[in-house]
Amino acid sequence: AQSVTQPDIHITVSEGASLELRCNYSYGATPYLFWYVQSPGQGLQLLLKYFSGDTLVQGIKGFEAEFKRSQSSFNLRKPSVHWSDAAEYFCAVGAAQTGANNLFFGTGTRLTVIP
Amino acid sequence: KAGVTQTPRYLIKTRGQQVTLSCSPISGHRSVSWYQQTPGQGLQFLFEYFSETQRNKGNFPGRFSGRQFSNSRSEMNVSTLELGDSALYLCASSLGLGGYNEQFFGPGTRLTVL
Repeated sequence: AQSVTQPDIHITVSEGASLELRCNYSYGATPYLFWYVQSPGQGLQLLLKYFSGDTLVQGIKGFEAEFKRSQSSFNLRKPSVHWSDAAEYFCAVGAAQTGANNLFFGTGTRLTVIP
Repeated sequence: KAGVTQTPRYLIKTRGQQVTLSCSPISGHRSVSWYQQTPGQGLQFLFEYFSETQRNKGNFPGRFSGRQFSNSRSEMNVSTLELGDSALYLCASSLGLGGYNEQFFGPGTRLTVL
């Protein structure tokens, strides 16, 4: 069965500093991997996704993530954090099979950005 | 193109009542999925509809049900509400089935059960 672990519940970084949010997944085959961001009172917005191919994927808002099969990880990175990046970030794994859209989410990492 | 809309945005109900939540997908999207988000359990998949048929279901009791109409709009219903049903209910739409389809989420309906 699919599962996702986000080991960091809360991270605080200074504006302009680099960011890395960790995500480990469990899935029997090559998974579909996603990072979503949720601002207070809002739904989820897709930052980036990995299906296959190049293991370094670029997303919106300057985010990138790297798929490492050997470590079952899909960590999210940003070289320089902006105050507007403060939000909750969710890693998710999707079933790599036709006919299933459901996503399995991690518990989320709340990002605080200090000026 | 308008995004996913959910109505109502906020609801307050009492235990034992039933509630219906509505979701209008992005125009042209035929798949609608529902998720429950709570502080304790996080984001959990409820069910997914495509072409008016439930295609996939999460591990929730039968009190949670849904349906999809011919225009792809979807409703979910929760009967005999319990305090633990208090949550943010998120709807997501996508073009079709298959995990490679990007899901677009609505703002959610915040349900409070007293």
